[in-house]
Amino acid sequence: ETGVTQSPTHLIKTRGQQVTLRCSSQSGHNTVSWYQQALGQGPQFIFQYYREEENGRGNFPPRFSGLQFPNYSSELNVNALELDDSALYLCASSRDRPNSGNTIYFGEGSWLTVV
Amino acid sequence: AQRVTQPEKLLSVFKGAPVELKCNYSYSGSPELFWYVQYSRQRLQLLLRHISRESIKGFTADLNKGETSFHLKKPFAQEEDSAMYYCALKGNTPLVFGKGTRLSVIA
Repeated sequence: ETGVTQSPTHLIKTRGQQVTLRCSSQSGHNTVSWYQQALGQGPQFIFQYYREEENGRGNFPPRFSGLQFPNYSSELNVNALELDDSALYLCASSRDRPNSGNTIYFGEGSWLTVV
Repeated sequence: AQRVTQPEKLLSVFKGAPVELKCNYSYSGSPELFWYVQYSRQRLQLLLRHISRESIKGFTADLNKGETSFHLKKPFAQEEDSAMYYCALKGNTPLVFGKGTRLSVIA
């Protein structure tokens, strides 16, 4: 058990809609990252938060946004959903600051289907 | 740019046979390399990292900077090793993953 929980586990949205995915990390895990894993692909880095501020971003458009809260929970928001956004979204957290070498723990992910 | 290549999508071996999952990377600095594993119906989890130089579940991986490789090896495959394996690199950004190799160990 890694202590990283994500919700919902599965959801279906219509193209153009907005979605919010949630993640709850272990106490003390100040760094959280979000990844998108399309079918047959490895996870792709979306962005990272450290102490409630964005700390790095991958090659994703601005309609992908996030929040991190003081209680070690975080959100991934995607606006104007497109069919290609259909994927497994993974939350990962680690203790202390980014690049500190601490182990990164993954949640089980949220499966998003856009129709 | 950081890139990780896993050339095999699927690798099938017989139980007891040696296993080698290939991983090549591209990064101009000093990378940290990892292997992650995902067993059926389970979450992605860290298998090993090159800086630890340890053996986990019989698996080892050596970082070869000359060949820019970090191949995962196990001398005798077990059925419980069947899983999806991802090689990942950490350079100046968070983890960059390869596309993964599905290992199937046949009894």
